[in-house]
Amino acid sequence: DIQMTQSPSSLSASVGDRVTITCRASQRISRYLNWYQQKPGKAPKLLIYAASTLQSGVPSRFSGSVSVADFTLTITSLQREDFATYYCQQSYNAPFTFGPGTTVDVK
Amino acid sequence: VQMVESGGGVVQPGRSLRLSCVGSGFIFSSYGIHWVRQAPGKGLEWVAGIGADGSKKYYGDSVKGRFSVSRDNSLDTLFLEIDSLRVDDTAVYYCARENYLDGLYCDYWGQGTPVIVSS
Repeated sequence: DIQMTQSPSSLSASVGDRVTITCRASQRISRYLNWYQQKPGKAPKLLIYAASTLQSGVPSRFSGSVSVADFTLTITSLQREDFATYYCQQSYNAPFTFGPGTTVDVK
Repeated sequence: VQMVESGGGVVQPGRSLRLSCVGSGFIFSSYGIHWVRQAPGKGLEWVAGIGADGSKKYYGDSVKGRFSVSRDNSLDTLFLEIDSLRVDDTAVYYCARENYLDGLYCDYWGQGTPVIVSS
């Protein structure tokens, strides 16, 4: 099975900050990587699929990129509603494993 | 598009449970569906998936042999049968619609149904 890691596990930031979260797979997964946002007590919400494609309706301050084996989720100017936990997920093959999550909280 | 799970509750260890997920607002029989669970205070765990026509089924390692996913496209409903429930199966269970464009992803999720395994 493909193992996913995320860093950092948590970070504190302020409104307006640029935030970067990194995800890495235990083997090559091409661009088969998704990013989800989850707020407490709510279902996950798809932000980005295929490493860099923004899901319809998601603000353009969210972006995804890949460099060699590292996938990155960037929030260019953090908004109040962005404080949440972010998960990456590989869709290269089943089981479609998630990363452990990165919690973004208020500094 | 809506996904609505049901069937969760408090169950004793060793018993069985069947969860349901009804999809609406789209052609249910054209989409694969996945189950994802989240234990209290923990991250997301992908559990199972089933193809649009029900012929392909996939399971996470921790649930193979105990979980069985199926669907009835005439009812727009997905099922997850859980046998020999264990305390560590306690979680909120989400169903999510699969979509595919340059890769597989889950674009619509239900609100989740909680399963508590306790004696």
